[in-house]
Amino acid sequence: DVKVTQSSRYLVKRTGEKVFLECVQDMDHENMFWYRQDPGLGLRLIYFSYDVKMKEKGDIPEGYSVSREKKERFSLILESASTNQTSMYLCAVQGRWDQPQHFGDGTRLSIL
Amino acid sequence: AQSVTQLDSHVSVSEGTPVLLRCNYSSSYSPSLFWYVQHPNKGLQLLLKYTSAATLVKGINGFEAEFKKSETSFHLTKPSAHMSDAAEYFCVVTANTGFQKLVFGTGTRLLVSP
Repeated sequence: DVKVTQSSRYLVKRTGEKVFLECVQDMDHENMFWYRQDPGLGLRLIYFSYDVKMKEKGDIPEGYSVSREKKERFSLILESASTNQTSMYLCAVQGRWDQPQHFGDGTRLSIL
Repeated sequence: AQSVTQLDSHVSVSEGTPVLLRCNYSSSYSPSLFWYVQHPNKGLQLLLKYTSAATLVKGINGFEAEFKKSETSFHLTKPSAHMSDAAEYFCVVTANTGFQKLVFGTGTRLLVSP
């Protein structure tokens, strides 16, 4: 099974800070994803990447950017954190497009 | 386009009784369907997947689901609930052709009482 590791389980930052969330996989899969999960709204796709240095916007990319310099690592960046970005962030990895995604344990981010 | 509807936001059962979590889907393409489980403060764990092979799919922890094309349903069942099954369950649909996003249901919270 794919192992998906998110660098932090819990993170507290202040408004205006630049925040980095890291995700690492151990299976050499091409596709990686960042979601946020909020009560009542379910999972929403922020960005995804289908190869090194390749990225595509998801449904809610505003206020976020991503970086994929190496195949195994996909970073989510909050350029200037705001309180409405307080959420649970989930990274996922996928092999073929019709196959399931495998998720990390999530990072619960609080912006004060 | 794909969509998925989880018909119950909460389901309550007693330990040892059967579990039924309902999911209906729509898809313009031949679908792939998944069920995920999420325990508190954890990521989503894959329970089972349907990708156009056998219509009755067996997953982990005694769960299974049946793909019914005529009813556009993919309900999740378990014969006997265990306390550790208490969690949130997500039905997910995607397509078998090219890149299609995963489309998540809004989730069903399963409560298991002693």
